[in-house]
Amino acid sequence: SQQGEEDPQALSIQEGENATMNCSYKTSINNLQWYRQNSGRGLVHLILIRSNEREKHSGRLRVTLDTSKKSSSLLITASRAADTASYFCATDPKGAQKLVFGQGTRLTINP
Amino acid sequence: EAQVTQNPRYLITVTGKKLTVTCSQNMNHEYMSWYRQDPGLGLRQIYYSMNVEVTDKGDVPEGYKVSRKEKRNFPLILESPSPNQTSLYFCASSLAYGGYEQYFGPGTRLTVT
Repeated sequence: SQQGEEDPQALSIQEGENATMNCSYKTSINNLQWYRQNSGRGLVHLILIRSNEREKHSGRLRVTLDTSKKSSSLLITASRAADTASYFCATDPKGAQKLVFGQGTRLTINP
Repeated sequence: EAQVTQNPRYLITVTGKKLTVTCSQNMNHEYMSWYRQDPGLGLRQIYYSMNVEVTDKGDVPEGYKVSRKEKRNFPLILESPSPNQTSLYFCASSLAYGGYEQYFGPGTRLTVT
């Protein structure tokens, strides 16, 4: 069953703007990860945030986690054309021994 | 170079003809997993393996088999493929289960006619 739900399903912004994607989930988790997928290719890991962390940064990426609301957000600052891709959140539900992926947000950066 | 490889990358086959998609990783990872990706459904896990000779079903295991005889290899077997197994398949591995990033292969696009 799907655990993570991304919002919006698609996002189109101008180069240089910030992009924010959200992920909601249903059960308690050990950690939450974000991945990027360029069209039809393998997913690439971006960042992992543990359940006891509230915010994490990596370069132009900022991830927040609110376990009380069961939600996470991914912020990409100063977007570039190369950021055009689909972004997936993946939750690590407690006791499940697997990652559960959402359906993804398709991000388009317009030059 | 650390990587997960899959073969074949593209495959068109007919209903009922057994096929195997190979997956190999060179990072000495314990955990390996197979996913299928379909439009509107995201990635769904088919099977996973915590280590050699330890495999378990994911969310959509029907019609698939796996084996883990060696740490580096995790083949996906379709004994009798059907058109509803037409999909994009990904193999992934991680150092262990829990709190580690997964490394994904390039994908295998399978069409069953």
